[in-house]
Amino acid sequence: DVKVTQSSRYLVKRTGEKVFLECVQDMDHENMFWYRQDPGLGLRLIYFSYDVKMKEKGDIPEGYSVSREKKERFSLILESASTNQTSMYLCASSPGQPNEKLFFGSGTQLSVL
Amino acid sequence: AQSVTQPDIHITVSEGASLELRCNYSYGATPYLFWYVQSPGQGLQLLLKYFSGDTLVQGIKGFEAEFKRSQSSFNLRKPSVHWSDAAEYFCAVGLNTGNQFYFGTGTSLTVIP
Repeated sequence: DVKVTQSSRYLVKRTGEKVFLECVQDMDHENMFWYRQDPGLGLRLIYFSYDVKMKEKGDIPEGYSVSREKKERFSLILESASTNQTSMYLCASSPGQPNEKLFFGSGTQLSVL
Repeated sequence: AQSVTQPDIHITVSEGASLELRCNYSYGATPYLFWYVQSPGQGLQLLLKYFSGDTLVQGIKGFEAEFKRSQSSFNLRKPSVHWSDAAEYFCAVGLNTGNQFYFGTGTSLTVIP
């Protein structure tokens, strides 16, 4: 069965810390995505990647960066965490064909204190 | 700009009653349309999708959705709701120009006995 795994289900960090959120998919998918989910705002795209070492900004990239050194792994980095980055973070992947469905991980609930 | 609107933030229905969740989109051409469901503590799971052809689409768990081009809508329906259907439902649009997806803000469904 297909799987997208996010390394942490819950994470608590302090303001100013550097935070890494890891995502691994086992489906050999070309595309990987990072979303944040906030009540009343739905899912908002932070970054996506359509190939190794390639990345594109989504709608809300400020304060975030990403890394994709291997096809199966897509990391989201908060360079200096702030309280307004407290949120649920969802990783997703999809095959290379346009607009195939997204496969989601279970999410990481990040709290920045 | 592309947008997806789910006008109902929260809906409560009785078990066994019918359900309709609304979704409208704003896009210059016919996009790819999706409905996802998120159960508590879970990632998003695809219910159904529309790419082309028959405008009435059948999905998993007894859900269906109808694409109406004239109304730019893709409403989700179920004839008889079960308690296990309580979840958050997201409508999403995929652009045929790339691999980006836009999500609505979600509708939270409560099912009462």
